[in-house]
Amino acid sequence: QVQLQESGPGLVKPSQTLSLTCTVSGGSISSGSYYWSWIRQPAGKGLEWIGRMYASGSTNYNPSLESRVTISLDTSKNQFSLKLSSVTAADTAVYFCAREVGRGSNFWNYWGQGTLVTVSS
Amino acid sequence: ENVLAQSPGTLSLSPGERATLSCRASQSVSSSFLAWYQQKPGQAPRLLIYGASSRATGIPDRFSGSGSGTDFTLTISRLEPEDFAVYYCQQYGTFPLTFGGGTKVEIK
Repeated sequence: QVQLQESGPGLVKPSQTLSLTCTVSGGSISSGSYYWSWIRQPAGKGLEWIGRMYASGSTNYNPSLESRVTISLDTSKNQFSLKLSSVTAADTAVYFCAREVGRGSNFWNYWGQGTLVTVSS
Repeated sequence: ENVLAQSPGTLSLSPGERATLSCRASQSVSSSFLAWYQQKPGQAPRLLIYGASSRATGIPDRFSGSGSGTDFTLTISRLEPEDFAVYYCQQYGTFPLTFGGGTKVEIK
């Protein structure tokens, strides 16, 4: 059974870079044919897809965040990461990592529990 | 961007009643690439429906999805106590992948 777990600082200062890692267990991120995604949810609000990455290095980002986002894979650690630069209070949210159901399916049945990141000085 | 509008914002119903949730897209959703999720407080979303009408693994048959083009519906035939939650639709036909704003199903 695939499991995902987010980790990273819970507090980031404005204008700095938010960095999160998703550790995957129960399956290899490099051997499977899946895209690995980040999705976020401000408190009391809806979900926003941030972007996705395939083991080959192929990425897709939400245009609303594309200029500030980088998603990368570390296959040696079976992890993938999110970096979001120049953060503001509007980036305060619960951040989820997720794996899609099947290659290119673009909907998700494996999710991490989510991690709250607060942007504040 | 394909914007999804969910209605109503809140649905107040009693256990055993039928729930009908709507998701309307600003552009036609190609190949009915629409999914529904259930989310409870403090939890990640749970996939219920994909392809507009296919139930995900382990999802009870009281959950059903229908629709095509720009109008989609999630129906819960008889509400169980564990079904009171927030429901989101998501389209995956075009990038960026987008979600609706959610419908909260609360106990009346």
